[in-house]
Amino acid sequence: GQQVMQIPQYQHVQEGEDFTTYCNSSTTLSNIQWYKQRPGGHPVFLIQLVKSGEVKKQKRLTFQFGEAKKNSSLHITATQTTDVGTYFCAGDFGNEKLTFGTGTRLTIIP
Amino acid sequence: DTEVTQTPKHLVMGMTNKKSLKCEQHMGHRAMYWYKQKAKKPPELMFVYSYEKLSINESVPSRFSPECPNSSLLNLHLHALQPEDSALYLCASSPERGADNEQFFGPGTRLTVL
Repeated sequence: GQQVMQIPQYQHVQEGEDFTTYCNSSTTLSNIQWYKQRPGGHPVFLIQLVKSGEVKKQKRLTFQFGEAKKNSSLHITATQTTDVGTYFCAGDFGNEKLTFGTGTRLTIIP
Repeated sequence: DTEVTQTPKHLVMGMTNKKSLKCEQHMGHRAMYWYKQKAKKPPELMFVYSYEKLSINESVPSRFSPECPNSSLLNLHLHALQPEDSALYLCASSPERGADNEQFFGPGTRLTVL
């Protein structure tokens, strides 16, 4: 079946360090979305990428969509304790539903 | 109002019980979703409703029965569940059906089946 893998599964960083999570699909995606889920919370939409090679920024967060539209990344600069949570990418394989990636759980060491 | 509400927040039920989960949104969204999320796993799609009609059923067992009484409400009726059905059940909505729409998630119902 169509799957979206994310690495790493877990990431522990010192506050102030950078963080990156990678999302990979075996087949081309129509678009990709990113969600953040805080501990005990629910997924919250961050951004959607549609175009090949697209780069979008939200303050300290930078999102990229690969040229082949098979991979994506989320980079956080200078992490803060409020960045704690699990980051999911969610891919659209053109079947009108989102397939969530396996997620990367970020913990911050103060 | 930009939120999706779900009731109850927590539910404990026996395998012979019948219960219902409720979801409501007042954003005028025409697509609504049920997801199941096990601990430390991603949300898994169960059902999609579009304009109050069931459009996607991800081969969910019949002990889960969805219902969309109107454009703002989505129910999930539960009957004869198994302990492995214990999970966080998330409702979501989006302006239209289609994976190019942002989805707004509710806080979820944490279900425990004894």
